[in-house]
Amino acid sequence: QQQVKQSPQSLIVQKGGIPIINCAYENTAFDYFPWYQQFPGKGPALLIAIRPDVSEKKEGRFTISFNKSAKQFSLHIMDSQPGDSATYFCAASPARQLTFGSGTQLTVLP
Amino acid sequence: DAGITQSPRHKVTETGTPVTLRCHQTENHRYMYWYRQDPGHGLRLIHYSYGVKDTDKGEVSDGYSVSRSKTEDFLLTLESATSSQTSVYFCAIKSLDRPGQGAIRMAFFGQGTRLTVV
Repeated sequence: QQQVKQSPQSLIVQKGGIPIINCAYENTAFDYFPWYQQFPGKGPALLIAIRPDVSEKKEGRFTISFNKSAKQFSLHIMDSQPGDSATYFCAASPARQLTFGSGTQLTVLP
Repeated sequence: DAGITQSPRHKVTETGTPVTLRCHQTENHRYMYWYRQDPGHGLRLIHYSYGVKDTDKGEVSDGYSVSRSKTEDFLLTLESATSSQTSVYFCAIKSLDRPGQGAIRMAFFGQGTRLTVV
């Protein structure tokens, strides 16, 4: 039972493009929505996170958009660079646990 | 990263043998987690601990057990390894944004252990 659905599974963009990764959840008890970035051979690293009382959060080139009524949230990467090529995971948390989406493999072409 | 060490980093074992993976942290975090990562499934929670000798099951706990006798160590044991347990295992610790508010900020993962069961 997947509580957080992530799409697309893979994404290829040109340098400077704006990749968008989407996630949807069902559990209304979720109150914290982080995104993680993972490079090959490494553990996931926290990228940016949002709480449901705001609709958007920006940190550098990364933006989370949050739609509470639709139970959806998305990650936008502005001016994407080849160094952003990685796997991205959305996640959602009610309290003690963190539930992850299935991941999106992003490739940014030079 | 952040004082988390997983050992071993790689292991090949035979079906039916017991295997123990270790997660060691140096920052006295109360919550520790074991996840497995498989293609197409993201990270799935196996077990977690909210204190010494306090543990609970995650969504894929069958075939796994855990122990936490000290704050700094969280052990994951495969009692009798099977090929379906071939995976990359990650340990993680929880760091709260603001203690007491309940929101979780799982900032730190270990480097992972690649386990192959043949």
